[in-house]
Amino acid sequence: ELKVEQNPLFLSMQEGKNYTIYCNYSTTSDRLYWYRQDPGKSLESLFVLLSNGAVKQEGRLMASLDTKARLSTLHITAAVHDLSATYFCAVDTWGGGADGLTFGKGTHLIIQP
Amino acid sequence: GAGVSQSPRYKVAKRGQDVALRCDPISGHVSLFWYQQALGQGPEFLTYFQNEAQLDKSGLPSDRFFAERPEGSVSTLKIQRTQQEDSAVYLCASSLSTGSNEQFFGPGTRLTVL
Repeated sequence: ELKVEQNPLFLSMQEGKNYTIYCNYSTTSDRLYWYRQDPGKSLESLFVLLSNGAVKQEGRLMASLDTKARLSTLHITAAVHDLSATYFCAVDTWGGGADGLTFGKGTHLIIQP
Repeated sequence: GAGVSQSPRYKVAKRGQDVALRCDPISGHVSLFWYQQALGQGPEFLTYFQNEAQLDKSGLPSDRFFAERPEGSVSTLKIQRTQQEDSAVYLCASSLSTGSNEQFFGPGTRLTVL
């Protein structure tokens, strides 16, 4: 059974600090997705990582993928309050193509002034 | 352009009632997915369509759950004889089904079974 594990599950940090969220998965998938969810809202696609070594950056967020280690990271630089949300990573359940995604439990991030 | 839309946004049902949840995917998206998200958890896959064909229904929790997409666009998720454990947010997503499988999610339907 495919497992996707995120840590930490809860993170409270101060504005201006840097931090990293980790996502480990148990399959050999070479594709990984990061989503953001605000309270009571749906999921917003942040990053699509399609190959080993892929790195993508958008503003203060940077995501990377190491398929050999089955690890993805989401790095937050100089956090601001607007980044407070729950972040999910997900992988293709059956390893590619168009299929359902398996999600981690999410990292609930609170950024305090 | 318009994103994925779902209706109703909120549904309250008495235990034992049948409910139908609707999803309108992004125009031109071939693939359509249904997920169930319990409070404080990540979404869990229910079923997947490519055009009108239901290719994977391995995530449907019981035979009370049924989904269809008869014309390859709008989809309906039906839950028969609802139980309290069916209370959750039901999310629909669509994708172009080429390349990345990046899925775009609708706002969800929050189902509460009393």
